[in-house]
Amino acid sequence: GNSVTQMEGPVTLSEEAFLTINCTYTATGYPSLFWYVQYPGEGLQLLLKATKADDKGSNKGFEATYRKETTSFHLEKGSVQVSDSAVYFCALSDSHGNQFYFGTGTSLTVIP
Amino acid sequence: GAVVSQHPSRVICKSGTSVKIECRSLDFQATTMFWYRQFPKQSLMLMATSNEGSKATYEQGVEKDKFLINHASLTLSTLTVTSAHPEDSSFYICSAEGHLAGIVYNEQFFGPGTRLTVL
Repeated sequence: GNSVTQMEGPVTLSEEAFLTINCTYTATGYPSLFWYVQYPGEGLQLLLKATKADDKGSNKGFEATYRKETTSFHLEKGSVQVSDSAVYFCALSDSHGNQFYFGTGTSLTVIP
Repeated sequence: GAVVSQHPSRVICKSGTSVKIECRSLDFQATTMFWYRQFPKQSLMLMATSNEGSKATYEQGVEKDKFLINHASLTLSTLTVTSAHPEDSSFYICSAEGHLAGIVYNEQFFGPGTRLTVL
């Protein structure tokens, strides 16, 4: 079946540090991959996505590349800010696009 | 575009009462809506999927008589938690996918969530 495994947190970084949050997946067919961000007390916001192998999603300085050979979609940012503090969820949607599978979320805290 | 709203954002109720949560797609037609539940510091758990005009499909372990879902129009779905108990306290999030003016949105757009606290 489909599933997403995400590195556990919490992660605490100093401002301007490099961020990597690992995400690997198991899926049949050709899923689409997503990173969502959830700020305290709010719902999920789409951060970036990739719909096929070797695609790179990017937004607000965050990047993730769809690696089919390693079944991974790691999230990276070169220089984090305090405002990036949030919970990040890796997710995949199946080939039909109508079922989402979420990772457990990784809490990121950036300190000044 | 593709904005989803939820109402209310927070609700506190007494045990035994029923609570209705609304999910609206503001600028597109939501042919499919999803309801999720999120426990503290955990991921989202899909509760049910609803298509406009038909009965919702519930995930295994979700009581359909407890969590009533109605998707009567292309812009509105409601989740009613019947006879709520403290263990139903959670963060409920809806999402929607659909189309507008011939553009198919094949991704889910999430609402801001509703915090339910049952005393």
